[in-house]
Amino acid sequence: AQSVSQHNHHVILSEAASLELGCNYSYGGTVNLFWYVQYPGQHLQLLLKYFSGDPLVKGIKGFEAEFIKSKFSFNLRKPSVQWSDTAEYFCAVTSPNTDKLIFGTGTRLQVFP
Amino acid sequence: ETGVTQTPRHLVMGMTNKKSLKCEQHLGHNAMYWYKQSAKKPLELMFVYSLEERVENNSVPSRFSPECPNSSHLFLHLHTLQPEDSALYLCASSQDPQGNEQFFGPGTRLTVL
Repeated sequence: AQSVSQHNHHVILSEAASLELGCNYSYGGTVNLFWYVQYPGQHLQLLLKYFSGDPLVKGIKGFEAEFIKSKFSFNLRKPSVQWSDTAEYFCAVTSPNTDKLIFGTGTRLQVFP
Repeated sequence: ETGVTQTPRHLVMGMTNKKSLKCEQHLGHNAMYWYKQSAKKPLELMFVYSLEERVENNSVPSRFSPECPNSSHLFLHLHTLQPEDSALYLCASSQDPQGNEQFFGPGTRLTVL
């Protein structure tokens, strides 16, 4: 069965620090990969997605993620975080021939000014 | 109104009550989903509807009963719930169920007393 692992459950950073959140998935076939963000009191929003092509994907608000097929990873990065990035971040994976979007447990990011 | 809306936003019910959650999508999508979000657990997919037909039932107890009268509306009927059913219930929609990105509503925070 497909699964998604997010190794960091809670990350605390100061503003301007660099961010990398880990995401690994277990599925051997073609995958579509997503990062969703949930700001406090708001609904889940898509941050970025990878379907095919360039494995380095740019998303909104300066976020990017790199798909490394050999490592089954899709880590999220941002070079300099802001206080407004405080949120919960979810990695998710699906394959083109299934209707299941499998989520990780989420990483709670707190950024202090 | 755009996107995915859910009502009510908050619901408190007793174990013997019957209530319904409502979801409406204004995106012209053909697939709709119910998820359960509990603390420290991955989002759990409950039901998937494609073109108003249920295509996935993820071993959900019968006290949860979905209904999809048309492609824009999705209901979750609740009956004789347990306190462990307290969670955030999220509705989502996508263009089709084949691995595409999903758009989420704000959720209904359910508390079962």
